[in-house]
Amino acid sequence: GAGVSQSPRYKVAKRGQDVALRCDPISGHVSLFWYQQALGQGPEFLTYFQNEAQLDKSGLPSDRFFAERPEGSVSTLKIQRTQQEDSAVYLCASSPTSGGYNEQFFGPGTRLTVL
Amino acid sequence: RKEVEQDPGPFNVPEGATVAFNCTYSNSASQSFFWYRQDCRKEPKLLMSVYSSGNEDGRFTAQLNRASQYISLLIRDSKLSDSATYLCVVNNAGGKLTFGTGTRLQVTL
Repeated sequence: GAGVSQSPRYKVAKRGQDVALRCDPISGHVSLFWYQQALGQGPEFLTYFQNEAQLDKSGLPSDRFFAERPEGSVSTLKIQRTQQEDSAVYLCASSPTSGGYNEQFFGPGTRLTVL
Repeated sequence: RKEVEQDPGPFNVPEGATVAFNCTYSNSASQSFFWYRQDCRKEPKLLMSVYSSGNEDGRFTAQLNRASQYISLLIRDSKLSDSATYLCVVNNAGGKLTFGTGTRLQVTL
């Protein structure tokens, strides 16, 4: 079956541009997570949705970051006025249950480079 | 201090060797524990969950010591295909996974 998909796979943005990153979770998965992975580091939590509700956004680094999942399936992570420090791989993960205590299935990520 | 700490390595071992990775976590309320594997430029994938009683999956054995807040992964009879970064992962509550930096393993001929 289809796994988690993300688009675009690669994005180059000029500093100050807005970007939108899309995540298609595994069909029927209740939980959806966004992580940011800088080079040489482990992924860092950004935000968590249970269906359409955003239950935790404590990891979003600034108010330039915004995420939504309006119909409880596809999610978009938006970054406004991108800065060079936003350059990273953005990973989306989904899980069939709430709370994420079970396996989280990761997408291939979007590699964002801000020039 | 990071919430999950791992030796970044790299660990360079010959094929057939046994190698062990360790990880410590700082939040005593952590609820579930995992090892994920990440190949270069790929997404993390679950290798195994970690239980207090210890668990084994083929050549891989994971152990959790809650008193010491310590997690380990043992790989026996290393294969070239085991070369990857191994991420120690802790779930505190609400699904938020906290990852260590990862330990890089390179298995050589």
